[in-house]
Amino acid sequence: AQTVTQSQPEMSVQEAETVTLSCTYDTSESDYYLFWYKQPPSRQMILVIRQEAYKQQNATENRFSVNFQKAAKSFSLKISDSQLGDAAMYFCAYSPRYGGATNKLIFGTGTLLAVQP
Amino acid sequence: ETGVTQSPTHLIKTRGQQVTLRCSSQSGHNTVSWYQQALGQGPQFIFQYYREEENGRGNFPPRFSGLQFPNYSSELNVNALELDDSALYLCASSRRAGRQETQYFGPGTRLLVL
Repeated sequence: AQTVTQSQPEMSVQEAETVTLSCTYDTSESDYYLFWYKQPPSRQMILVIRQEAYKQQNATENRFSVNFQKAAKSFSLKISDSQLGDAAMYFCAYSPRYGGATNKLIFGTGTLLAVQP
Repeated sequence: ETGVTQSPTHLIKTRGQQVTLRCSSQSGHNTVSWYQQALGQGPQFIFQYYREEENGRGNFPPRFSGLQFPNYSSELNVNALELDDSALYLCASSRRAGRQETQYFGPGTRLLVL
């Protein structure tokens, strides 16, 4: 069974600094998708970034980038120039590319990011 | 905002009761997934509906059931509520099952079972 592990329950960063959130996963599949979702106190889960496992290039979205290490099954999120609005719970999630007809997401337990002014 | 709405926002029930939660998908989306998020945990997949048919299920008992309507809105029904059913219930819509379309989440319904 696929699993996702986030070993940092809480992280803190100073405004304008850079922070890296860690995620590891376990799967026997060779093709899959990885995601980082953000859940602010308002609770609405928002997609931050997505990585397709067959792509070598790390995904980037503005201040957010990932370090995808397929052999190590590691998928970390780097947030540059942190802003107060980045404070939230961050979830790493995995989805098989060909999971039957179901594109279900398997989530980690989350990392709570605090941004200090 | 993701365009996915859920109702109600909060709900309090007692053990043994039944509850219905509702989800309105983003326009153009025909797939809805439901997740249960216990306090301090990541969301757990309950099931998915695609074009009004159940299209995959997680490790949840049959007292968790669902419906999807022709307009692709959806309901989650939970019978014989247990204390451990207290959680945030999230729905997520996407364009099509089978492909890795991005899932867009609603704000959730917070269910408390006493």
